[in-house]
Amino acid sequence: DVKVTQSSRYLVKRTGEKVFLECVQDMDHENMFWYRQDPGLGLRLIYFSYDVKMKEKGDIPEGYSVSREKKERFSLILESASTNQTSMYLCASSLARYAAFFGQGTRLTVV
Amino acid sequence: AQSVTQLDSQVPVFEEAPVELRCNYSSSVSVYLFWYVQYPNQGLQLLLKYLSGSTLVKGINGFEAEFNKSQTSFHLRKPSVHISDTAEYFCAVRINKLVFGAGTILRVKS
Repeated sequence: DVKVTQSSRYLVKRTGEKVFLECVQDMDHENMFWYRQDPGLGLRLIYFSYDVKMKEKGDIPEGYSVSREKKERFSLILESASTNQTSMYLCASSLARYAAFFGQGTRLTVV
Repeated sequence: AQSVTQLDSQVPVFEEAPVELRCNYSSSVSVYLFWYVQYPNQGLQLLLKYLSGSTLVKGINGFEAEFNKSQTSFHLRKPSVHISDTAEYFCAVRINKLVFGAGTILRVKS
């Protein structure tokens, strides 16, 4: 089975901190994605990557950046965390250009 | 611009009853269509997808969905639900990127 692992289930960070969310997949997928999930809004794409060192902005990239130095790892970076970035963050990977396998999510609270 | 509307935010249903979760999309070009399921405290799982071919698509756990181009709909159905089907279900549409609906919470009651 494909496994997508997010490093933390729950995180609490302070406003202004730099935050790293890590995601690792074990199926050699080219495509990886970061979404945030908010009640009533569904999932919104932050960034995606279709190859190592390649990245594309999604619908809501402001305040975020990403890093993909190795094929299996895709990191989401909040440069200066703000309270409106409190959310559930979901990483996904796929052979195709749509997200097929998701991690369990990281619930981030910014205080 | 593409958009996805899930017409019901919550659907309560008794165990062993049939269920339909509705999804409509707006797009002027051909699309790919998806349903995902999210069980409590878990990530999403791909339930089924329509890429081309037969308009009736079968997925995991006994779910199926029908692509109706004229109605621009992709409703999800199951003839007999179980308690374990309680989850949130997301419809998604892809042209050049994947766009998700707001989700429908299915609550199965005994």
